Amino acid sequence: NAGVTQTPKFQVLKTGQSMTLQCAQDMNHEYMSWYRQDPGMGLRLIHYSVGAGITDQGEVPNGYNVSRSTTEDFPLRLLSAAPSQTSVYFCASRPGLAGNNEQFFGPGTRLTVL
Amino acid sequence: SQKIEQNSEALNIQEGKTATLTCNYTNYSPAYLQWYRQDPGRGPVFLLLIRENEKEKRKERLKVTFDTTLKQSLFHITASQPADSATYLCARTDSWGKFQFGAGTQVVVTP
Repeated sequence: NAGVTQTPKFQVLKTGQSMTLQCAQDMNHEYMSWYRQDPGMGLRLIHYSVGAGITDQGEVPNGYNVSRSTTEDFPLRLLSAAPSQTSVYFCASRPGLAGNNEQFFGPGTRLTVL
Repeated sequence: SQKIEQNSEALNIQEGKTATLTCNYTNYSPAYLQWYRQDPGRGPVFLLLIRENEKEKRKERLKVTFDTTLKQSLFHITASQPADSATYLCARTDSWGKFQFGAGTQVVVTP
């Protein structure tokens, strides 16, 4: 199993550009989520999905969109990039919703917005 | 607001010694506390989970304690090795699956 994969690994955008960060998992996990990680701060939840066709907002959803058309894929879209979105983005999945499930993280995408 | 706090200062420790990391939380006691390891340029990797009604959990050289009175979890790495150098994150979770992560503590083990 590849686990959770993310592409690209690095990306530089100009303010106002849009892009999609890709995330896929091959563990048949229902629950997937997107986090951003900034220096000195914990991972912050952007959006999450409890299954195909179902998504919801997390702690910091503004400026981001998600969709979940299949169990495997959970792309994150930046609509109009801003310098405040410079961060490292992690996709994660877990087998169930309950808090005793461990999360499996992807390798991350380092995004810089100029 | 609910907070989860870890020591932001790096922990420098000599090989063979025990590293002890602290995770403090406010307000309600979480149903679970999870600990993750994160290496530079990589995603976090799950290490251990401890339940609210458990005092201690062990896995090889790792030990986690959970004190609901102090609102604190301690994470111990015994007989530390240079390969243990990484950032360690704690996360509180409730029964409904809401995660809240701390910012992490960097551990540096020197030979």
